[in-house]
Amino acid sequence: NAGVTQTPKFRVLKTGQSMTLLCAQDMNHEYMYWYRQDPGMGLRLIHYSVGEGTTAKGEVPDGYNVSRLKKQNFLLGLESAAPSQTSVYFCASGRGGNEQFFGPGTRLTVL
Amino acid sequence: AQSVAQPEDQVNVAEGNPLTVKCTYSVSGNPYLFWYVQYPNRGLQFLLKYITGDNLVKGSYGFEAEFNKSQTSFHLKKPSALVSDSALYFCAVRPLGTDSWGKLQFGAGTQVVVTP
Repeated sequence: NAGVTQTPKFRVLKTGQSMTLLCAQDMNHEYMYWYRQDPGMGLRLIHYSVGEGTTAKGEVPDGYNVSRLKKQNFLLGLESAAPSQTSVYFCASGRGGNEQFFGPGTRLTVL
Repeated sequence: AQSVAQPEDQVNVAEGNPLTVKCTYSVSGNPYLFWYVQYPNRGLQFLLKYITGDNLVKGSYGFEAEFNKSQTSFHLKKPSALVSDSALYFCAVRPLGTDSWGKLQFGAGTQVVVTP
């Protein structure tokens, strides 16, 4: 089992560019989550999904969109990147109230 | 609104000494409580959780945590710290409720430094 994988691992964007982060899990989990991690702020939930075809906003959703077309994949999109979106992005999956399993992260820099 | 506080940005401890990482929470009802660890340039790894039952929860790598409802705390402990325990530790809470959808509220994290 690969667990939770994220693509890419690193990316540098210019302000205004767009990109998509891909998260894949092979544990057949219903729930998937996207977080961002910034120094001194812990992890903040961006968007989440409770099943294929469903998405919902988390704590900091502005500037991001998501899609869950397949149960195993959860995509995070930035339509017009801003320097404030420089962060480390983590995807996680789980079964509701139980523990979440995290991917290795994507380090994004927006210039 | 729920919140999680980790009052210490960093905890320094000598190898072999007891390690405690503090966490307090504010949430309505009885929450699920979690501890995660993050090693440099890695994702978070689950250590342990409290849902109900015994207030002392045992987890991975020799860690344990004590749930104290009256003090709304869930401190992480290890009797004898190792240099390899040096990492960033996060406390998280999930409030009960039909709309929580497994969402976690994380603390800001506590950096643990264990010196030889």
